[in-house]
Formats: sequence, C-alpha cells, structure tokens
Amino acid sequence: DGGITQSPKYLFRKEGQNVTLSCEQNLNHDAMYWYRQDPGQGLRLIYYSQIVNDFQKGDIAEGYSVSREKKESFPLTVTSAQKNPTAFYLCASSTYSSGNTIYFGEGSWLTVV
Amino acid sequence: QKEVEQDPGPLSVPEGAIVSLNCTYSNSAFQYFMWYRQYSRKGPELLMYTYSSGNKEDGRFTAQVDKSSKYISLFIRDSQPSDSATYLCASSDSNYQLIWGAGTKLIIKP
Repeated sequence: DGGITQSPKYLFRKEGQNVTLSCEQNLNHDAMYWYRQDPGQGLRLIYYSQIVNDFQKGDIAEGYSVSREKKESFPLTVTSAQKNPTAFYLCASSTYSSGNTIYFGEGSWLTVV
Repeated sequence: QKEVEQDPGPLSVPEGAIVSLNCTYSNSAFQYFMWYRQYSRKGPELLMYTYSSGNKEDGRFTAQVDKSSKYISLFIRDSQPSDSATYLCASSDSNYQLIWGAGTKLIIKP
C-alpha cells in the first residue's frame, strides 16, 4: 500500500539525548515535511525538503536537524539543544500536481523523561 | 495577525445536525484551499481540496471558498458521532507553501 510510514510511534528521551524519528514514503512525492503539534494547537513547520540533498528551515527549526539522502526518506533528529521537545511529530509529503496537497503519516509521540 | 484564522472551539452539536466550520485568510494570493480531519493521536487526513472560488461536494461534505470575503467553509450534513475530530483548514499560494489554521475541535453528541 502507498503511504507514509513513521517510526517509532512512541519514543522516550532522556535529558541531553539526541533522538531520530524515521519517515519513509512510497508515494514518489518530491517534497517532504516535518511538523510539530502541541496539545490543542495547530501545526508548526520544522523543516521541509523539495528535492533530494536539499532542505530548508521552517518556522521552528532550532534544536532540530534533518537529512534527505534519498527521495523516499526524510529522518528528523531532535537534538539536546531543543529545550522543550515533548510533542507529537508529523511527517508529510506532497505532490505539486494538486496544488501541493499534503499527505501525512500517523505521527510519532516524543516524551522527555 | 495570522494569515489563516480558525476558531479552536470546541463546537458541540447534536447528531444529525448540519455543521459549519469556517476559516478566514488574509493573503489574497492564496489559490489552493484544503480541509483536513484529524482524529485524536492520529495524523491529519485530507478531506477536501479546492482551487480558487466556488463549491465542491463529496458525499456529506461540502467545501466552499469565497475569495471576495476571504472566507473558507466546510459543511457537514447529517453529522455522525464518527465525525467528532479536529478539522484543520490550510491555504497556499502558487509557491505551494501551506499556511495552517489552528484547527477546530468538533464534538457530535449522540
């Protein structure tokens, strides 16, 4: 089935640790995105990539890093520099043929313990 | 001022009622308008996609865009408890960068 796969679904991080969230898509979409969603709030863009080996910062990139070595994959690393990382993280991809309609994965919950 | 404004709710209506969800936007360059539904602890799923002004219908759902007033609406007919979710509106211009509303939490009471 075509779609976006995020893993893990739930992740716990200790203070000072880096963690990496995986995102894989088999939709053949060029663009991929990472969003953060806090309880009761909307989506905030962390990073996006429109093509392999290129990515841009979104509105809240500080404390995060990404890579785009393959079209299908866009992993997000939450570094120890991110002071408030507990949130729901959503990966998405899009196609320009429909006005950049975005499709989302099921999300990853990150909790700092 | 945010470019896309959306009342966070919650909006609570009885089962079977017609639901009206709304967003306003400020950027007259926006041409693409979308509605997403998000169940608790799940990723958002695309409900409706509209280009420019006008109406689009899909089953019980109707999306409406009024570019003259910069107003986006989603109507749900014969609402069901399974429609209880958060509904997110989003808009983009020709550069395809999506701007999101905060989402409206909808509760359908049986």
